[in-house]
Amino acid sequence: KQEVTQIPAALSVPEGENLVLNCSFTDSAIYNLQWFRQDPGKGLTSLLLIQSSQREQTSGRLNASLDKSSGRSTLYIAASQPGDSATYLCAVLITEETSGSRLTFGEGTQLTVNP
Amino acid sequence: DGGITQSPKYLFRKEGQNVTLSCEQNLNHDAMYWYRQDPGQGLRLIYYSQIVNDFQKGDIAEGYSVSREKKESFPLTVTSAQKNPTAFYLCASSPWGAGEEQYFGPGTRLTVT
Repeated sequence: KQEVTQIPAALSVPEGENLVLNCSFTDSAIYNLQWFRQDPGKGLTSLLLIQSSQREQTSGRLNASLDKSSGRSTLYIAASQPGDSATYLCAVLITEETSGSRLTFGEGTQLTVNP
Repeated sequence: DGGITQSPKYLFRKEGQNVTLSCEQNLNHDAMYWYRQDPGQGLRLIYYSQIVNDFQKGDIAEGYSVSREKKESFPLTVTSAQKNPTAFYLCASSPWGAGEEQYFGPGTRLTVT
């Protein structure tokens, strides 16, 4: 059974700092990996999606990498801002012949960027 | 204005009552999903549906039921058999085919007392 782990569970940094969030998964047979952002009491916003054949994706100050063979992904946030404060969730997509595709989520990293 | 809507935002029920959470999408997506989120935890899959009139159990389906009579609607019923129903419920949808990005609704917070 696929398991997804995110480290650290919580992170507090001063504004302007570059930071890295980590995600690991136990089964490398994934179809893709997604990073999401969740603000308190809200739904999820997709940040980046990396297909299994890709190594990284970039969007603005965000860069996500994927090393499928080692079961790891990182989300790099450059020049962090207080508005980046949120919970960041990693999820991997697996496909099964009989039951289709489904996401498995990590527990998230709660990020606080202090002004 | 395309997207996924969930209603209501907050829902309160007495223990022993069934309650139905609404999820509607106008993105023309084939697949729809229901997740449960408990405080400080990630999302766990309850049920999902790849096409109309078909759905699959996720990891924590016990005490829940769904229907998919229309492409745009995927209501979730939390039955009295669900032992710990108080949680944040999120609905998502995605286009047909593996590897497609999932889009999430704003969620419904259910409190059962």
